[in-house]
Amino acid sequence: ILNVEQSPQSLHVQEGDSTNFTCSFPSSNFYALHWYRWETAKSPEALFVMTLNGDEKKKGRISATLNTKEGYSYLYIKGSQPEDSATYLCAFGPSGNTPLVFGKGTRLSVIA
Amino acid sequence: DAGITQSPRHKVTETGTPVTLRCHQTENHRYMYWYRQDPGHGLRLIHYSYGVKDTDKGEVSDGYSVSRSKTEDFLLTLESATSSQTSVYFCAISASGYNEQFFGPGTRLTVL
Repeated sequence: ILNVEQSPQSLHVQEGDSTNFTCSFPSSNFYALHWYRWETAKSPEALFVMTLNGDEKKKGRISATLNTKEGYSYLYIKGSQPEDSATYLCAFGPSGNTPLVFGKGTRLSVIA
Repeated sequence: DAGITQSPRHKVTETGTPVTLRCHQTENHRYMYWYRQDPGHGLRLIHYSYGVKDTDKGEVSDGYSVSRSKTEDFLLTLESATSSQTSVYFCAISASGYNEQFFGPGTRLTVL
């Protein structure tokens, strides 16, 4: 059974703080790593798909890095805003034809 | 937004009754998935489909069955609902490739 770990489980930060969290995944048979943003009472929405070791992706104040050799990805949020409050999920894809394996998420709360 | 809908959006039923949830897509994507969301567990895969009449089990398939008779519809059936199946159910779709998934709005099911 493939295991995807996310840490921390939850995080509270002040508005304006920068923060980051981690996704750990199996370093063998890597195909893709996905990040999703999931607001309360809504559906998960795709943020990034990362496929190559050393990949860096950015969308506004949110960015992500990927290290496939050691099996981890970091998600960074610069200058957190209350609207960034959500659960951030990562998902590991061992191949293009098998389902993604989701972590349990990091729940971020940004306090104004 | 990806064209994916779920019906019903909310359902309350009694233990022992059959329940069918429907996922409908207008994107002509090959892959369709059913997940359940429970506190402390994140998203767990129930069943998925990789084509018409082609389905496979996920992590938590016991007590559930699925059918896909046409590309656009993926049905999840609880043959005899139990209280442990009270959950929020999400459908997702993806094309081939890196398997980026798009999620439906969710169905909240309560089994009394």
